[in-house]
Amino acid sequence: DAGVIQSPRHEVTEMGQEVTLRCKPISGHNSLFWYRQTMMRGLELLIYFNNNVPIDDSGMPEDRFSAKMPNASFSTLKIQPSEPRDSAVYFCASSPGTENTEAFFGQGTRLTVV
Amino acid sequence: QQQVKQSPQSLIVQKGGISIINCAYENTAFDYFPWYQQFPGKGPALLIAIRPDVSEKKEGRFTISFNKSAKQFSLHIMDSQPGDSATYFCAAKTSYDKVIFGPGTSLSVIP
Repeated sequence: DAGVIQSPRHEVTEMGQEVTLRCKPISGHNSLFWYRQTMMRGLELLIYFNNNVPIDDSGMPEDRFSAKMPNASFSTLKIQPSEPRDSAVYFCASSPGTENTEAFFGQGTRLTVV
Repeated sequence: QQQVKQSPQSLIVQKGGISIINCAYENTAFDYFPWYQQFPGKGPALLIAIRPDVSEKKEGRFTISFNKSAKQFSLHIMDSQPGDSATYFCAAKTSYDKVIFGPGTSLSVIP
């Protein structure tokens, strides 16, 4: 298995532009997580899906952020409009969704908003 | 109550020494405690994990010690090597729920 695949690896965009981050979880995994990592805040859970349904989006910073999981093999995190403070590394992770199992992380997308 | 505390924030250890990272939690519903290791430019990866029904788990040079009554757990890295230099995250979760990460510890092992 190729693991969790994220794209793009790097994204540089201008303030106000729409940004879409993509994630392909490991086949067969039922849970998918989007995290944001910054020096100041560490690893923050943004949203969590189980069987393609959003279970907990309490970590989504504001209405500019939205996430979808249209099927079991694809998820997107969208920021519209983007702001410089959104600059961070965004990780997608998936897990089998069964009891006490690990989350497998992708390589991350480094987002820079200028 | 969902928070996981971790210390120290950074750690410098001599090669061959013991690295110790400590974590604490409040939520007694947590029942799975993984440790993740992250190298620069990479995503975190599971290093070792423990359930609260055991007090210690060892895998190679890595050992988790767990104190359920104190709600504390720690990672010990024996014979630390420069290749162990990374950021370490303790975490906690309840069954079927999201993983809550600690703030991380940046470990540097110097020759």
